[in-house]
Amino acid sequence: TQLLEQSPQFLSIQEGENLTVYCNSSSVFSSLQWYRQEPGEGPVLLVTVVTGGEVKKLKRLTFQFGDARKDSSLHITAAQPGDTGLYLCAGERPSGGSYIPTFGRGTSLIVHP
Amino acid sequence: KAGVTQTPRYLIKTRGQQVTLSCSPISGHRSVSWYQQTPGQGLQFLFEYFSETQRNKGNFPGRFSGRQFSNSRSEMNVSTLELGDSALYLCASSLGVPVSDTEAFFGQGTRLTVV
Repeated sequence: TQLLEQSPQFLSIQEGENLTVYCNSSSVFSSLQWYRQEPGEGPVLLVTVVTGGEVKKLKRLTFQFGDARKDSSLHITAAQPGDTGLYLCAGERPSGGSYIPTFGRGTSLIVHP
Repeated sequence: KAGVTQTPRYLIKTRGQQVTLSCSPISGHRSVSWYQQTPGQGLQFLFEYFSETQRNKGNFPGRFSGRQFSNSRSEMNVSTLELGDSALYLCASSLGVPVSDTEAFFGQGTRLTVV
């Protein structure tokens, strides 16, 4: 069972469309992070959300952290081909008295020109 | 400044062999974490090293091990390779302090294929 469930798994859209991807959990997280990974590259951090209900904007990307800090969403307005990539959410889960990073399986986004 | 460098980029090994992967972190970063990425399981945490000590460990068998040197460079080793070890192995570096409040920068990864 995945601690962080992402949906949808795949998304193929046309340039200019809007989209939302989700990251859900039954556990509370102190913070969640969103990464984008392009083919042949490692993930790159986009944002970290910390406060329940927080909304952060990064140009055409809007990130929201749920009030209960169990879920997060990423909304992209007017998607462009350069937005193509694998979007990953990540948090930390308790393990053996410490916390270790855990990732969702990602949403693979393709934006067609 | 230079990013995280992983070598080699691609590797093909035979079942039963062992492999060593290398990671050079960003200058000044003292924390190095290793991850395994597969289509089926996604990105999974292997272990983290900070100042030459393993600080955290994920849920992987003992065949997976690592170490960190005094210059913060890190290596990970997989012994007795299995077909299921085929994956992209990613390394990430960060300042490391405070523990979970620093941005992690990933390398391009090493693509390991076990045949």
